[in-house]
Amino acid sequence: GAVVSQHPSWVICKSGTSVKIECRSLDFQATTMFWYRQFPKQSLMLMATSNEGSKATYEQGVEKDKFLINHASLTLSTLTVTSAHPEDSSFYICSAGSGRVTDTQYFGPGTRLTVL
Amino acid sequence: DAKTTQPTSMDCAEGRAANLPCNHSTISGNEYVYWYRQIHSQGPQYIIHGLKNNETNEMASLIITEDRKSSTLILPHATLRDTAVYYCIVRTATGTASKLTFGTGTRLQVTL
Repeated sequence: GAVVSQHPSWVICKSGTSVKIECRSLDFQATTMFWYRQFPKQSLMLMATSNEGSKATYEQGVEKDKFLINHASLTLSTLTVTSAHPEDSSFYICSAGSGRVTDTQYFGPGTRLTVL
Repeated sequence: DAKTTQPTSMDCAEGRAANLPCNHSTISGNEYVYWYRQIHSQGPQYIIHGLKNNETNEMASLIITEDRKSSTLILPHATLRDTAVYYCIVRTATGTASKLTFGTGTRLQVTL
């Protein structure tokens, strides 16, 4: 299957700072990327869908000004958690697809964010 | 997308077949059944998907009932490394690339 990477794999930051997480599709062009969040012992919750060159679509209840998503190229999407607080501590996972409707989505390994 | 129902947990002895059921009684004709698994603290891994016919790949087999209201994922020879949470997801295949909605999944524990 296709390979999706994330960087960093884990990050610890102080409350009030901003953190950027990168998601890259290594061997295919990803027209669409998805960002998920997973709290301990819970399932994945979709945060937003981003299409290359356009604004992201956020799920209900996700603050677009707090979770900034940029999908400037066909191989890179970034998620910036602005003014992070302890309640933002979570496992953030991206997935990527080529954009075709029957396209399989491949997931990155995830980024564990801890906000002190 | 249609909702799915899976057992919360299952056990399987190493070397035996693991059969993971999934109910999707409200599935529509244009909706696919996808299976992913998530090993602890990792991103989900794609396993297999199908529409109407049974499917098999190097990882697993997917059996879909004729009325498409349920399916079973089969891991033919489970190993300890197959211990994970398995998610059955129904996904619409129309319009632009559609999102995946994860339920609670089945936690499969493979034991010696």
